[in-house]
Formats: sequence, C-alpha cells, structure tokens
Amino acid sequence: TQLLEQSPQFLSIQEGENLTVYCNSSSVFSSLQWYRQEPGEGPVLLVTVVTGGEVKKLKRLTFQFGDARKDSSLHITAAQPGDTGLYLCAGAASSASKIIFGSGTRLSIRP
Amino acid sequence: DVKVTQSSRYLVKRTGEKVFLECVQDMDHENMFWYRQDPGLGLRLIYFSYDVKMKEKGDIPEGYSVSREKKERFSLILESASTNQTSMYLCASSLRGPSFNEQFFGPGTRLTVL
Repeated sequence: TQLLEQSPQFLSIQEGENLTVYCNSSSVFSSLQWYRQEPGEGPVLLVTVVTGGEVKKLKRLTFQFGDARKDSSLHITAAQPGDTGLYLCAGAASSASKIIFGSGTRLSIRP
Repeated sequence: DVKVTQSSRYLVKRTGEKVFLECVQDMDHENMFWYRQDPGLGLRLIYFSYDVKMKEKGDIPEGYSVSREKKERFSLILESASTNQTSMYLCASSLRGPSFNEQFFGPGTRLTVL
C-alpha cells in the first residue's frame, strides 16, 4: 500500500517567518500535487510537479519534487495570515488511476 | 465559474438510517470521486466513477455504495449508517486523462451519525 506522510502535522508561526512542509513516501510517484484547504471549503490545487528534481514557484510558495520522485517539499517565504489552512500533498503512481492523499499539515499564521 | 456542489453542508442521522449524499458538477467532467476526510488521516477514497453507470471501489468502500445515472451527478449511499461513518465527505470531479488531472472539490458534507 502506498502511503504519503506529511510533517509536521501542525505548525503555528508568526507572520513574516519562513517555513517548510514535507511530504515523504517509500514509493515512487509519477507526479505529486499540493492542495490547500480552507475551513468550510474543499481542497484547491496549488501545483503539480511531474519531473524528479523539479522546482515550481507560485509567488511566495516554492514546491520541489525529490530527485527520486519519492518526496516533495513546500517552502513558504514571509508567511502571511492568508496562508493559513490545511496543506495536502497527493501522489499519483504511473500505473494507478487515482491519487493518494497525505495526512495533511495544518498551518496557522499569527498576525 | 466552475462548480461542484453538494446537497447538504451538515447532516445528522441516526444509526441504521439510509443516507444519500448528492454531488453535482457543471464542468462536463468524466471522472467523479467520493472521499471521506478525518483528522490525521487526510482524504481517503471511497468510490470513483469514470463514466455514467461506471463505478470503481476506492480504498475504503465497505458500508458505502454509489450511483451515477447522469454524467453530472454522483451519489454516495450509506445503506445503514453507523457511528463510525461520522465524518466529512468530499466530492470531486476531474477531466478524463492522467490521474494527476486537477480535481475540483465541493465544499463537503459534515455527517454526524448518532
């Protein structure tokens, strides 16, 4: 069974600080996605990475796919209260028709 | 503005009741999914559907069934609700194609079974 483990599970930091969230697996994925979920809403896709070593930037968010395509990280620079939410990684195996979600990192940014 | 809607935001049912959760998407997507979300467990796939009248079991199908009679509508059925089915239920849809096609989610239904 493929599993995606996220760390930390909870993170509370001050506005303006930097942070990194990790998504790890012992399995290889053909692609990896990051979603953000705000209270009372469904998850919304932030990014998809498909190539080992790939780095994508979305304003203050930087996403990286590990060289071996088993892990990913999300780095936020100068966090803002609007970044608060549940961050979920999701992986797709090349042979699978569905994606697997990680357990999530709940991020809280204090003003 | 693309949309996935779910019939209820909050639902309270009693043990043994039959429960219907409805999901409708207006994007003409082929794929539709039902997940449940529990703290610390992320999203777990219950069932998914590639096309009308097609269904595939996900990772935790026990105690659930689904129906897809029309392309835009995907229903989740709890034949006899139990307390361990208390959860947040999320519906999603995506275009046919690679499994990493973006999934669009509804706002969720928080179901409580007493």
